[in-house]
Amino acid sequence: DTAVSQTPKYLVTQMGNDKSIKCEQNLGHDTMYWYKQDSKKFLKIMFSYNNKELIINETVPNRFSPKSPDKAHLNLHINSLELGDSAVYFCASSQGTSGEETQYFGPGTRLLVL
Amino acid sequence: GQNIDQPTEMTATEGAIVQINCTYQTSGFNGLFWYQQHAGEAPTFLSYNVLDGLEEKGRFSSFLSRSKGYSYLLLKELQMKDSASYLCAVVGANDYKLSFGAGTTVTVRA
Repeated sequence: DTAVSQTPKYLVTQMGNDKSIKCEQNLGHDTMYWYKQDSKKFLKIMFSYNNKELIINETVPNRFSPKSPDKAHLNLHINSLELGDSAVYFCASSQGTSGEETQYFGPGTRLLVL
Repeated sequence: GQNIDQPTEMTATEGAIVQINCTYQTSGFNGLFWYQQHAGEAPTFLSYNVLDGLEEKGRFSSFLSRSKGYSYLLLKELQMKDSASYLCAVVGANDYKLSFGAGTTVTVRA
C-alpha cells in the first residue's frame, strides 16, 4: 500500500489556469506538508498542517491555497498559474510537529506551466 | 535564516567509499537529517542526528558535530544503486521547519 500518494503525477497547463493537486496519507500521521522543488533541486517548505490546522505558512504567493479536509488529506490549489510555478511539488507527512520526526514524501507532482 | 552547504557533485567507483560533507549556519538547531533522492523519485529517509557523534546503519553512517556546524554522510561499499542525490536538512529550533541543502549528486561508476 502506498503510504503517501499524490495526484496527478504530471500536470501540464497554460499560464493563467487554475489547478489542484491532491495528497493523501494512510500512515495515521497528524502532520502534512507541501514542498516545492525547483529546477536547481532546492526543496522548500510551503505549508504545513497539523490535524487540519495550518501551522507553517511560508512566504508563498496567495495564489497558492492549501486545504485540509481531514488529517489524512492535504490538497493544494493554485490560481492564475505563472511560468515560475513550474516545479515538482511534493507532499509529505510526519507523526508530530517538532520537526524531529521523519517525514515521508509522496511521489511528487511535476507541474509544467506553458 | 538557514544556510546549508554541501558539494554539488561527487563521483566514485563501485566498491569505494564516499563522504558527503554538510555545513550549516542556522538560527537554532534541533537535529539534522540525511535523505536520499533518486532521479525522478521522492526523497527517502536515511538518518537523523541530534547529538554529536557517529550513527552507523549498515553501509551508511552519519556524523554530527554541533559545535562546528558540520555533518557528513559516509557511504561504504558503493553500489550502482547508490547513484542518487543526497540531501542534508536541518531542523530549526525556533520554527521546527526542515531546511534543505541543494543536495549532492553522487555518481557511482563501474
